[in-house]
Amino acid sequence: KQEVTQIPAALSVPEGENLVLNCSFTDSAIYNLQWFRQDPGKGLTSLLLIQSSQREQTSGRLNASLDKSSGRSTLYIAASQPGDSATYLCAVTNQAGTALIFGKGTTLSVSS
Amino acid sequence: ETGVTQSPTHLIKTRGQQVTLRCSSQSGHNTVSWYQQALGQGPQFIFQYYREEENGRGNFPPRFSGLQFPNYSSELNVNALELDDSALYLCASSLAGSRASYNEQFFGPGTRLTVL
Repeated sequence: KQEVTQIPAALSVPEGENLVLNCSFTDSAIYNLQWFRQDPGKGLTSLLLIQSSQREQTSGRLNASLDKSSGRSTLYIAASQPGDSATYLCAVTNQAGTALIFGKGTTLSVSS
Repeated sequence: ETGVTQSPTHLIKTRGQQVTLRCSSQSGHNTVSWYQQALGQGPQFIFQYYREEENGRGNFPPRFSGLQFPNYSSELNVNALELDDSALYLCASSLAGSRASYNEQFFGPGTRLTVL
């Protein structure tokens, strides 16, 4: 059974810092991996999608990497801003391409 | 391009009642998935609908059922509500059958269900 773990559960940093969020999964047979952002009580915003054959994706200040063999992904946020404060969720799509299996998320707080 | 929409935004029901939640998929998408997110947890996959048929189901009892309509919109029905059904229900749409989409799922704002 696929399990997704995110470390740390919470993170507080001052504005301007670069930071890394970690995600690990137990079964390397995935279709793809997505990183999402969730603001309190709201839906999920897709940040980056990495296909199973890719190693990384970049969008603006965000860079996500994928190492399928070790079952790990990282989300790198450069020059953090208070507006980045949210919960970041990692999810892998099962090999059938149907279900997303989520971690519990990392709650990020960026102080000005 | 219209994003994923869900209705209602909030709902309060009592134990034992039935509820129907609605979702309109993003323009051009043909697949809808439903997720349940309890407080402080990641979303849990309930089921997916593709071409009006259930196309995968998570570990949820049969009292959770769904429909997909010809315009790809969808309903989630929950019978015999229990207190533990209180959660944020998220709908996601995607385009299956297209290599370019990589089955990327796009989420709606959710419906907050409270069961008393």
